[in-house]
Amino acid sequence: SQKIEQNSEALNIQEGKTATLTCNYTNYSPAYLQWYRQDPGRGPVFLLLIRENEKEKRKERLKVTFDTTLKQSLFHITASQPADSATYLCALDVGGKLIFGQGTELSVKP
Amino acid sequence: KAGVTQTPRYLIKTRGQQVTLSCSPISGHRSVSWYQQTPGQGLQFLFEYFSETQRNKGNFPGRFSGRQFSNSRSEMNVSTLELGDSALYLCASSPWDDRPYEQYFGPGTRLTVT
Repeated sequence: SQKIEQNSEALNIQEGKTATLTCNYTNYSPAYLQWYRQDPGRGPVFLLLIRENEKEKRKERLKVTFDTTLKQSLFHITASQPADSATYLCALDVGGKLIFGQGTELSVKP
Repeated sequence: KAGVTQTPRYLIKTRGQQVTLSCSPISGHRSVSWYQQTPGQGLQFLFEYFSETQRNKGNFPGRFSGRQFSNSRSEMNVSTLELGDSALYLCASSPWDDRPYEQYFGPGTRLTVT
């Protein structure tokens, strides 16, 4: 069956450290993969998009990797800050439909 | 530019009733998608409209329908409401006519079915 799995547990890290979130998928062949941030009570906010032929994408303190062989994407936040605390969602573009993972709740402690 | 707006923000309905939710996309965006978000199932794709035509559809029963108007505004309708339809309904618009469709989400409509 088709599945998307993100870090099952919430992630707690210390301010200044690098947060690494994982997104693994099975039985999908996405052409694109996207990452979103969602704060409680609000809609998700688009962060980054990476294409299947790209290995890595960066934007300020954010970095995304996409390994279509391992069927995995890693999302890194460097020099993390308490303001980065939120739920992060990965989304696979499958035939034009966005299929979202369950999300990983990140908490950055001062 | 103003963001995606959704009305109403909160709604309480009774089982068996029907409901219509409204979405105004970001100016210039022609693609509008709808999603359902619940604690158990997460964020699930309902359908996507582009130029007044449904271009993509998720795996939801026919009780869920939508439409898009010539000004790109969209509505979704849920008929014969069930308790399980209680959820946050999110509308999103995309600046691109073709893939990839990065999504700009509205704040959502919180629907409670009693």
